[in-house]
Amino acid sequence: DADVTQTPRNRITKTGKRIMLECSQTKGHDRMYWYRQDPGLGLRLIYYSFDVKDINKGEISDGYSVSRQAQAKFSLSLESAIPNQTALYFCATSGSRNQETQYFGPGTRLLVL
Amino acid sequence: RKEVEQDPGPFNVPEGATVAFNCTYSNSASQSFFWYRQDCRKEPKLLMSVYSSGNEDGRFTAQLNRASQYISLLIRDSKLSDSATYLCVVNTGSARQLTFGSGTQLTVLP
Repeated sequence: DADVTQTPRNRITKTGKRIMLECSQTKGHDRMYWYRQDPGLGLRLIYYSFDVKDINKGEISDGYSVSRQAQAKFSLSLESAIPNQTALYFCATSGSRNQETQYFGPGTRLLVL
Repeated sequence: RKEVEQDPGPFNVPEGATVAFNCTYSNSASQSFFWYRQDCRKEPKLLMSVYSSGNEDGRFTAQLNRASQYISLLIRDSKLSDSATYLCVVNTGSARQLTFGSGTQLTVLP
């Protein structure tokens, strides 16, 4: 079984809809991250969490919110989706000992019409 | 200026060729450096860390030049399976966040 899982893997939605992307991990890591990837722009950090009570904004947090429901679960919400949020979204985890090696989930492809 | 800039690519090389990727970073306080590999439509995976003294892992060699703020990745004897996008990654800031370059696409041709 994969160590970092994301659901859904693909989603098509309409402008204005609320969307939640979920991430779960079995690696026992404290740190979790949400990124988006756009062609030509690389991965950009949306939010990150170093433990259940710690949530931090990343480079591009506007239009997004997160919830760290448990050590193993970190969800990303788009309260009112817009077309420029169409992207590939990755969740990642890292341990506190080797915090710089991040393990990524398989990604969620989101299309906002 | 982007924090991490990479060769634009794409690189198309024959099997067995040697290919080099370059990367520059803008934050002189950056502490750690990595190369990640991303296959088409897949998640990024750590390929190797980059140490100040340079390091080698089989056919892959990574070099760091702190004075020039420059990182390189050399792949010798390219294999078809090396075809992927290579991401230069730098750890910056007090929160030790990773900043990713936009990637360089490599296609190894038979």
